Amino acid sequence: DTEVTQTPKHLVMGMTNKKSLKCEQHMGHRAMYWYKQKAKKPPELMFVYSYEKLSINESVPSRFSPECPNSSLLNLHLHALQPEDSALYLCASSQVGGRANTEAFFGQGTRLTVV
Amino acid sequence: AQSVTQLDSHVSVSEGTPVLLRCNYSSSYSPSLFWYVQHPNKGLQLLLKYTSAATLVKGINGFEAEFKKSETSFHLTKPSAHMSDAAEYFCVVSERTGTASKLTFGTGTRLQVTL
Repeated sequence: DTEVTQTPKHLVMGMTNKKSLKCEQHMGHRAMYWYKQKAKKPPELMFVYSYEKLSINESVPSRFSPECPNSSLLNLHLHALQPEDSALYLCASSQVGGRANTEAFFGQGTRLTVV
Repeated sequence: AQSVTQLDSHVSVSEGTPVLLRCNYSSSYSPSLFWYVQHPNKGLQLLLKYTSAATLVKGINGFEAEFKKSETSFHLTKPSAHMSDAAEYFCVVSERTGTASKLTFGTGTRLQVTL
């Protein structure tokens, strides 16, 4: 199984809503990532978890709150988002402790629209 | 910091003709390089990766890339384009950050394949 599964595939939320994005992998990977991709732009790193602990936060606003409840799951909690936060949110996973050329596996993404 | 530059934002080829997508890298040491493909409204799929074991790397779907240290390049090629190759292609450099890896994406090249 080389899949990273993200739910939901599409999400429309109001600026006062609270919602969560979910990501799951069963490859035994202990590094998990959230990326944000705006239209016609490359993905940009948001957060990195290693061994279920947050290791990198790329100065992401606090209205995005990541959580890694176990080695297979990664959540992104959303609250009080702005329309400019509308984007494709990609989850990825990889092995840890290896060399930098360890590839990351990506999910299909959640298309988020903030209205 | 490491970086990659994709020299073409858009490449158009006829079906059955060769594909060349150009990528230059900047790194003070031997880089870890990848090519990923993203079809419309989809996640990212790994095409190939440079592991330093061989300068010519073969990937999926007939793609290959050659690492040229003297030119700091990692160009992606395919002998004969197929309609299904139409997608966005990203050249990516990876660096270790503790036990995980941080991917930095190029700006992307959109490949158009015409009949």
